[in-house]
Amino acid sequence: DQQVKQNSPSLSVQEGRISILNCDYTNSMFDYFLWYKKYPAEGPTFLISISSIKDKNEDGRFTVFLNKSAKHLSLHIVPSQPGDSAVYFCAASARVGNMLTFGGGTRLMVKP
Amino acid sequence: EAQVTQNPRYLITVTGKKLTVTCSQNMNHEYMSWYRQDPGLGLRQIYYSMNVEVTDKGDVPEGYKVSRKEKRNFPLILESPSPNQTSLYFCASKLPGQGPSPLHFGNGTRLTVT
Repeated sequence: DQQVKQNSPSLSVQEGRISILNCDYTNSMFDYFLWYKKYPAEGPTFLISISSIKDKNEDGRFTVFLNKSAKHLSLHIVPSQPGDSAVYFCAASARVGNMLTFGGGTRLMVKP
Repeated sequence: EAQVTQNPRYLITVTGKKLTVTCSQNMNHEYMSWYRQDPGLGLRQIYYSMNVEVTDKGDVPEGYKVSRKEKRNFPLILESPSPNQTSLYFCASKLPGQGPSPLHFGNGTRLTVT
């Protein structure tokens, strides 16, 4: 059973609007969460992360929110740009082991 | 330029013919890992290595082997490939010992087994 789930396989947003990508997890031992972005024919690249001691982390247009009680995190992109069109993966790890568990990915399409 | 390099980028082979996918990193990272990406399943870890001569199974190790004789190289070996190993493979590396830290990924190897 998948411990990290991204229930929306795709999302389409107009340029300039907000994109919200969601991720749910089941393992309560997870305490560090990351988002990766992947363009076609390239490997995933790290975007932003958050530790479980925080509920929000912001980096420019990207903000990640963590709701530990709901075991839910989300990535907000404001404003969305066509260059943001990619597949986004959320990932989680527990400090013991350093292994990352990935969700299935969400394909974001930002229309000009 | 700091990078993880995989070869080949594309590979078509037949069932049972042994193959090796190479992975090399120039960042002096101790931790290296192999993932496969399949539709709807995200990236699943095959094997990882915390350091030279130290390897361990990930979530989906069946049908794969790895070796870590040098810090920079971490080849993935399929002794007898089968069609269910058709997938997109990624090698990744990072520095352990700093707590969780982001993985650096290669550009992937698309493998087709007929």
